This record gives sequence, C-alpha cells and structure tokens, in this order.
Amino acid sequence: DVVMTQSPLSLSVTLGQPASISCRSSQSLVYKDGNTYLNWFQQRPGQSPRRLIYKVSDWDSGVPDRFSGSGSGTDFTLKISRVEAEDVGIYYCMQATQWPYTFGQGTKLEIK
Amino acid sequence: EVQLVESGGGSVQPGGALRLSCEASRFSFSNSWMSWVRQAPGKGLEWVANIKPDGSDTYYVDSMKGRFTISRDNAKNSLYLQMNSLRVEDTAVYYCVRDPGSGATGWGAFDIWGQGTMVTVSS
Repeated sequence: DVVMTQSPLSLSVTLGQPASISCRSSQSLVYKDGNTYLNWFQQRPGQSPRRLIYKVSDWDSGVPDRFSGSGSGTDFTLKISRVEAEDVGIYYCMQATQWPYTFGQGTKLEIK
Repeated sequence: EVQLVESGGGSVQPGGALRLSCEASRFSFSNSWMSWVRQAPGKGLEWVANIKPDGSDTYYVDSMKGRFTISRDNAKNSLYLQMNSLRVEDTAVYYCVRDPGSGATGWGAFDIWGQGTMVTVSS
C-alpha cells in the first residue's frame, strides 16, 4: 500500500499569516494515464470532510483562492496564503493513484 | 442541493453484523462511482471500499475484505455496506461519498459527502 506521510501534524498560525502542509508518498503517484491523483480535504470541527484540491493543484470555484496545491511525484504541498479563522480544522492528503486509496494522518490547524 | 444521507448505524457486539444504507439525491447516482470512508473517534480518515456505477466491480482495503461488502441499487439511488464479523476496531463514523472516478476531477476527488453514521462495536 502507498503510505502517505504528512508534516507537520499540527500547526498554530497567526491570522493573516501563511501556512504550509507537506505530504509525501512512499511511491510515485503518477498514474499510467499521466495524471497524479493526489487530493486534499479539509475537515472543520464537527463537520464532514470537504474537498479542497484535486489532482495536486486544481480546485473548485467554491474554494477560496488562498488555498493552493503543488508538487509532483512523491512530494506535495498545500499552502494557505493568509490564514483566516474559518480555516481551523484538520487537513488530509489522499492518494487515489493506486488501490487501496490511502490518506495521510491529518494536520491540525489552529489559530495562534 | 446534492445530498447523501446515511442510516443504519448503531451499537453491536463484537462478532455481530450491521448494514449501512446511503440514499443519494439530486445527482446522477447511477453514473457515479461510490465509496465508503470511515473515521474512528478522534482519528483520521480511512477509505473502506469503492463500487463501480453498474456495481460490477468493487475494491476494498485489505483489512475489510471478506468481512465488508459494498453494494448498490441504482433503481433506489442507494448505496449499502454490509458489515459482518465486526470488531471493536471497526468503531467509527462511516461516510458515504461520491468518487468522480475517471471524470474531469479524477479518482478519489470525493466531491459529495454524507453527514456520517456512527457504528459502535462493544461488548
């Protein structure tokens, strides 16, 4: 199975400051079709998870543009350009290039 | 608004069985890959299983193969998870999720989540 390793596991950030979460996979996430199925999810306290980023760096119109994803191969990053209070929660990366799908351990973001 | 609503959770003794259901609305369920994802109390997310739109193919995490069965009834817009031989470590909130599959957003880009149903396995 592909092991997903996130760091840090917790993050305390001042409002308006940037935040960055790393996600590393034990194998390359490039699929035979050329796509990289690395996705990011946000889970706010008491809520179901929500998709933030798909295929490394794409995002839906409903996701604030302060969120961005980057990376390739085995090394990926989620960045928040300016943290807002509503960003508090846990962030998960997940690979879907290979069965079984596997999640990272999660990174808890709190406001300092 | 698109929606997934799970039901069927509850308390069961180790070795027991439960069947979870998930009803979909306001999207093309019969054309969608569907998944179950679980979250143990205070823990992270764990993918459980996937099923193809026509139900002809299923995928499971190894620890649940042979104990859990994912299935669907497209006429009822419903997804199911039959869980047998339940263990204490299966205690979790179980989420019903849509997987866009080979669509534009790609595999595992879970775009619709239910509110979850709690399963507690305890003696």
